[in-house]
Amino acid sequence: KQEVTQIPAALSVPEGENLVLNCSFTDSAIYNLQWFRQDPGKGLTSLLLIQSSQREQTSGRLNASLDKSSGRSTLYIAASQPGDSATYLCAVSAGGANSKLTFGKGITLSVRP
Amino acid sequence: GAGVSQSPSNKVTEKGKDVELRCDPISGHTALYWYRQRLGQGLEFLIYFQGNSAPDKSGLPSDRFSAERTGESVSTLTIQRTQQEDSAVYLCASSIDRARYEQYFGPGTRLTVT
Repeated sequence: KQEVTQIPAALSVPEGENLVLNCSFTDSAIYNLQWFRQDPGKGLTSLLLIQSSQREQTSGRLNASLDKSSGRSTLYIAASQPGDSATYLCAVSAGGANSKLTFGKGITLSVRP
Repeated sequence: GAGVSQSPSNKVTEKGKDVELRCDPISGHTALYWYRQRLGQGLEFLIYFQGNSAPDKSGLPSDRFSAERTGESVSTLTIQRTQQEDSAVYLCASSIDRARYEQYFGPGTRLTVT
């Protein structure tokens, strides 16, 4: 059974800092990995999708990497801003007949002005 | 274009009552998923629809839960005889197709069972 872990559960950093959020998964037979952002009381916003054949994806100040064989992904946020404060969720899909996502519990990020 | 929409946004119900939650996926998306997010827990998969194929119900926690989808449009998730442990945010997501494409989520329905 696939398990996704995100540690730490919470992180507080000063504005302007570059930071890395980690995600690990137990079964390397994934089809893709997706990073989401969730603001309090809101749904999920997709940030980046990495296919299993890819090593990284970039969008603006965000860069996500994937090391499938070791079961790890990182989300790099450059020059953090208070508006980046949110919960960041990592999810993996096994593909096949059902592409359901298996989620980690998320990392709650607080960027202090 | 319009994203995934869900209604109601909030629902408070008494234990033992039935509830229906609605999801409108993005037009043209053939895949539709329901997930549940309980307080302090990660998101849990509930059910998956792909076109006219039989749905994958493997994540439904009990036979009190059921869902329907009409073609490639609206889906409803029904919970019968609600229990307090059903209190959660119910999220719907859609995707152009399974596997390769990213899933887009709706804002969720917050269900509170009193």
